[in-house]
Amino acid sequence: QKEVEQDPGPLSVPERAIVSLNCTYSNSAFQYFMWYRQYSRKGPELLMYTYSSGNKEDGRFTAQVDKSSKYISLFIRDSQPSDSATYLCAMSANGAQKLVFGQGTRLTINP
Amino acid sequence: DGGITQSPKYLFRKEGQNVTLSCEQNLNHDAMYWYRQDPGQGLRLIYYSQIVNDFQKGDIAEGYSVSREKKESFPLTVTSAQKNPTAFYLCASSMVAGASYEQFFGPGTRLTVL
Repeated sequence: QKEVEQDPGPLSVPERAIVSLNCTYSNSAFQYFMWYRQYSRKGPELLMYTYSSGNKEDGRFTAQVDKSSKYISLFIRDSQPSDSATYLCAMSANGAQKLVFGQGTRLTINP
Repeated sequence: DGGITQSPKYLFRKEGQNVTLSCEQNLNHDAMYWYRQDPGQGLRLIYYSQIVNDFQKGDIAEGYSVSREKKESFPLTVTSAQKNPTAFYLCASSMVAGASYEQFFGPGTRLTVL
């Protein structure tokens, strides 16, 4: 079993839909949770960063962490075609310099 | 502009040749990382370095080598011992002090073995 599981998709939704992307993990020591967005043939860019449990909102994006369920989510409101990309979750334990990445979910927003 | 640069963007190699991928950062980050990305497999850690003149193997270090002679630079050599080197290679960096765990990525180098 992988430490971090993420459905690779592909996921295709219409423009302006609410998108939910998820990751589950098995290591209870993870405290730092990140979401990266990666456009085709580009490097990943950091989208959201959350420490421990709770929600964090940034514009149309909301990141949620539920440590009791070992489950993290990224919600995209009013999705746009420019949101079409692969979304990678990543996480780390306190004191560890390595990130553990999910497989990535390929998302397409259709106009 | 602060950031991470990787060169070249595309690289072609004949079987049996060693090639070196460049990674430079001007973010004053202590730690640097090399990942390999294959379709449908996410990112896999090859090597990482938290300080100059020191580095550690990641999950798939076999067939690769690195050096960290300067804080700004972390080149990756793909040796002929790497049996399946065709992939997208990503370099990243992060701060160590202050327990910042966010990693910032370069644009990547796509290596193709002919």
